[in-house]
Amino acid sequence: AQKITQTQPGMFVQEKEAVTLDCTYDTSDPSYGLFWYKQPSSGEMIFLIYQGSYDQQNATEGRYSLNFQKARKSANLVISASQLGDSAMYFCAMREDSWGKLQFGAGTQVVVTP
Amino acid sequence: DGGITQSPKYLFRKEGQNVTLSCEQNLNHDAMYWYRQDPGQGLRLIYYSQIVNDFQKGDIAEGYSVSREKKESFPLTVTSAQKNPTAFYLCASSMTTGRPNYGYTFGSGTRLTVV
Repeated sequence: AQKITQTQPGMFVQEKEAVTLDCTYDTSDPSYGLFWYKQPSSGEMIFLIYQGSYDQQNATEGRYSLNFQKARKSANLVISASQLGDSAMYFCAMREDSWGKLQFGAGTQVVVTP
Repeated sequence: DGGITQSPKYLFRKEGQNVTLSCEQNLNHDAMYWYRQDPGQGLRLIYYSQIVNDFQKGDIAEGYSVSREKKESFPLTVTSAQKNPTAFYLCASSMTTGRPNYGYTFGSGTRLTVV
């Protein structure tokens, strides 16, 4: 069964605008971690932000913030003030315990236009 | 600087050949992973290893083999049994602790093409 669902295969956003990338997850484990990675066309995977299941506050890292709604099992990534360099594939991932594998969603392709 | 190194960056394979992709890390991470990525797709787990001399199959292990003789190294062999090996291969490593807050460190990938 799919554990991580990203329903937006691709989206366009104008430079300087904010964009929200959707991610829902499925787990019965009370302890888990949620991650977002960026993959530019070069192929490298760049870690963006982390949210723990017990964290009381939404995670933020610079222009990235994570809208964590635990009851809805969603962990949406918000990119504020988009830049041309934000054009990339974005993956949501979940790790259910320290020994567990990181499970990835299918990704969302973001294209930032001038 | 600590990191994870994959080589080669590009690899060409003839039909029927086995090829080995290298993955080395100096982060002192216990766990290592191999993923396959097809164009426009997500990452699919091939094999993973949590300790030396032990590894487990992931979701798409058929046609692949691995070894973990050293903590630092986790090479992936794409065998002739893998019918469609053309893809981008990513290696990753992570710590294993009592909490799930450690994500992966990724290598820069190997792009394999069958010619």
